[in-house]
Formats: sequence, structure tokens, C-alpha cells
Amino acid sequence: DAGVIQSPRHEVTEMGQEVTLRCKPISGHDYLFWYRQTMMRGLELLIYFNNNVPIDDSGMPEDRFSAKMPNASFSTLKIQPSEPRDSAVYFCASSLASGGADTQYFGPGTRLTVL
Amino acid sequence: GNSVTQMEGPVTLSEEAFLTINCTYTATGYPSLFWYVQYPGEGLQLLLKATKADDKGSNKGFEATYRKETTSFHLEKGSVQVSDSAVYFCALQGSNYKLTFGKGTLLTVNP
Repeated sequence: DAGVIQSPRHEVTEMGQEVTLRCKPISGHDYLFWYRQTMMRGLELLIYFNNNVPIDDSGMPEDRFSAKMPNASFSTLKIQPSEPRDSAVYFCASSLASGGADTQYFGPGTRLTVL
Repeated sequence: GNSVTQMEGPVTLSEEAFLTINCTYTATGYPSLFWYVQYPGEGLQLLLKATKADDKGSNKGFEATYRKETTSFHLEKGSVQVSDSAVYFCALQGSNYKLTFGKGTLLTVNP
């Protein structure tokens, strides 16, 4: 399996522009997670899905952020409008629920820079 | 709510030294505990895990024991290598399926 795939790997944009980050989870996995990593705040869970349905979006910072999962093999995280404080590395992760301690498999991340 | 506290870094060691990275947690119920590792420029990957009290997780020479009485899950390795240089994250998974991560500890191993 190719693992979790994220695109783009790097994104540089200007304040006010719309940014869309993409994720393809591992085939067969039923959970998908979006995280943000910064030096100041560490690793934060933004939102997660189970069987394409958003379960908990309490970590989404504000209305400028939105996430969708239209099918089991694709998810997007959108920021509109973007701001310099959104600069971070965004990770997508997926897992398969087994009733126990389920391993989350992380993608390589998208490094976002908002100028 | 759930929380994880791990020792602040950075930690710098010489090759073949003994490694300990402390991790303590606060949680309701009986969480599962994890150590993830992040190599430069990559995403996190699972290093080891434990699901109940007194379980020992181990992988690649690293070990951690789930200590319920001290709410701890310290990471140890008897002899580190340069290739172990990375950021290490302690995490717990509660009943809501979410992972709560510590802030991470940067380990640098010098030859």
C-alpha cells in the first residue's frame, strides 16, 4: 500500500487567498484525522471523520476552516481566507477501528506558508 | 479532560548512551498509550503501544511499560544510535477515539 497520500507537499500563498489541502487515506481505513503542527502549539487535532462522517470538529480554529470527506478515499481541508497565523504543517492520518488501541498512519504532511 | 506531559527537550546523547524520556498522563477510565516518532521532514509513525496496566510495548530496542499506579509510560532504550535522532511523542487514546499528544521531545544522538 502507498500509505496516506497528501498533496501538495508545500504550499506558499498570500494572505486572503483560499487554500485547499488534500488527503487520500489508506484503502479500507474507516477513520480519518486532520492535524496541525506548529512550534508554539505542538500537534493539534482539528477534525476527524468516521465512515466519511465528521465526528468531532471541536479543534477547528474558526469558521475560516472547513473539511469534507465526500467519499472513503478522499478528504479536503480548506482555509478561506488564509492568514499568516495559519502557517503550519498539516497532517492527515487514517486508521482502521479494531476495538483496541488503533494505530494512526500519518501522511508526510503539507507545509503551508501564508505570506 | 485527557492530557499528556512529557519531558522537555532537547535531549542530546552520545551514541550507545542510555535513553529515558519521561511521560505522564491524566485520563479518565483506561486509556491506551502510545509512543510515536517523527523523523525530519516526515509524518509521525508508531513506535510502540500498550493497552492495559503493566503491558510493555517494545520495538527497535525501545521499551515502555504502562504504569497505572504512577500514570506513566516512560520510553527507554539501552543503547541509542545516530539514526534514532528524531522527535518522540507520547500519546494516549481515550474512549472517544481521539489521540492526545504530548508536546514532543527532540532527541539528537552524536557519533
